[in-house]
Amino acid sequence: GESVGLHLPTLSVQEGDNSIINCAYSNSASDYFIWYKQESGKGPQFIIDIRSNMDKRQGQRVTVLLNKTVKHLSLQIAATQPGDSAVYFCAENISKGGSEKLVFGKGTKLTVNP
Amino acid sequence: DTAVSQTPKYLVTQMGNDKSIKCEQNLGHDTMYWYKQDSKKFLKIMFSYNNKELIINETVPNRFSPKSPDKAHLNLHINSLELGDSAVYFCASSQAYGWGSEAFFGQGTRLTVV
Repeated sequence: GESVGLHLPTLSVQEGDNSIINCAYSNSASDYFIWYKQESGKGPQFIIDIRSNMDKRQGQRVTVLLNKTVKHLSLQIAATQPGDSAVYFCAENISKGGSEKLVFGKGTKLTVNP
Repeated sequence: DTAVSQTPKYLVTQMGNDKSIKCEQNLGHDTMYWYKQDSKKFLKIMFSYNNKELIINETVPNRFSPKSPDKAHLNLHINSLELGDSAVYFCASSQAYGWGSEAFFGQGTRLTVV
């Protein structure tokens, strides 16, 4: 079936620490992955993406790692700030029957303590 | 400028009523989507349209009918509302359909059926 799950539903870190949010996916044919951030009362916002021909991609303070062998995705946030507090979703692009769709995981709530 | 805008932001209505949620994107994107987010924050795709053509209907009840008058608009009409329809509905758009295409989300419409 299609599922994108997260190991930890909640994560609490101290300001300035690094955060790691993990995600497991089940569809080995998935070719594109995105991390989204959703703040309270807002829609999901793109953070970073990665394609299946890569195993690492870096952005500003964020890094996404992809391990296709174990179907695992992670988001690393460096020097976490209070503004990083939000729910984070991983999403995978699944191709099926000629159509493609973005399937979201359940989300991890990140709380940054000052 | 709001890239993907939905109206209304909040909608409270009684069971059995018919309601519509409007969505417009000014990004010039070809593809638009509707997602439903439940109380546990789980995001699930409902529909996707590419150039006004329905691409995905993710086993959504017939009471839900999307309408795309042009590629910048994708409205969602819901007939005979039920309590279980209460959720946050997100509209999204992407530049192209398929692989490697990041989706931009609206702010969401919180639907409460009483």
